[in-house]
Amino acid sequence: EVQLVESGGGLVQPGRSLRLSCAASGFSFGDYPMSWVRQAPGKGLEWIGFIRIKAYGETTEYAASVKGRFTISRVDSISIAYLEMNSLKTEDTAVYYCTRAFSRGDAFDIWGQGTMVTVSS
Amino acid sequence: EIVLTQSPGTLSLSPGERATLSCRASQSVISSFLAWYQQKPGQAPRLLISGASNRATDIPDRFSGSGSGTDFTLTISRLEPEDFAVYYCQQYGSQSWTFGQGTKVEIK
Repeated sequence: EVQLVESGGGLVQPGRSLRLSCAASGFSFGDYPMSWVRQAPGKGLEWIGFIRIKAYGETTEYAASVKGRFTISRVDSISIAYLEMNSLKTEDTAVYYCTRAFSRGDAFDIWGQGTMVTVSS
Repeated sequence: EIVLTQSPGTLSLSPGERATLSCRASQSVISSFLAWYQQKPGQAPRLLISGASNRATDIPDRFSGSGSGTDFTLTISRLEPEDFAVYYCQQYGSQSWTFGQGTKVEIK
């Protein structure tokens, strides 16, 4: 079964850091770009970042709202993607979804169940 | 950044009726890079349509997508009880991805 499982969410104070993990199974992880999408409570979906496959240098793209604070990485040997979040703000409170992207990167066909991040003092 | 505006915000329909959801872009979108998702309460979104009109795996044929340029449409030909949910459009272009704000399809 193709699956993504996020972990690492929780309650964190403003200004602190948190790292989310996304464990993939059931497919050849290294062949797919990966992305992170978040959803604030009661709100819509917001794309926050994307990482290409090794053949494209594992280069990354970020939304303006998180650029310079968030970093996406991947370790293909263990089929895990990471979202490192620094200088967290209260407005970063959301469910964070890990997604698998189509090879050309245009859409997200597999989603994890999401992990909740609450930024509050 | 391309802004996607979905309308209506809420669509109140009965099972068996036809649903037509609109997604309008602030500038032209490459058709092959327009997707639609369905999200039910407490669940992750699910890909319905990619490339503006291509149904994803296991998506029933009552779901169809169309459009080009700045205007795209998701049509559900006959609403089933399980189709009442929130629907999002999404585009990719210039190394940036954006979602519309969503349309809620609710039972009338």
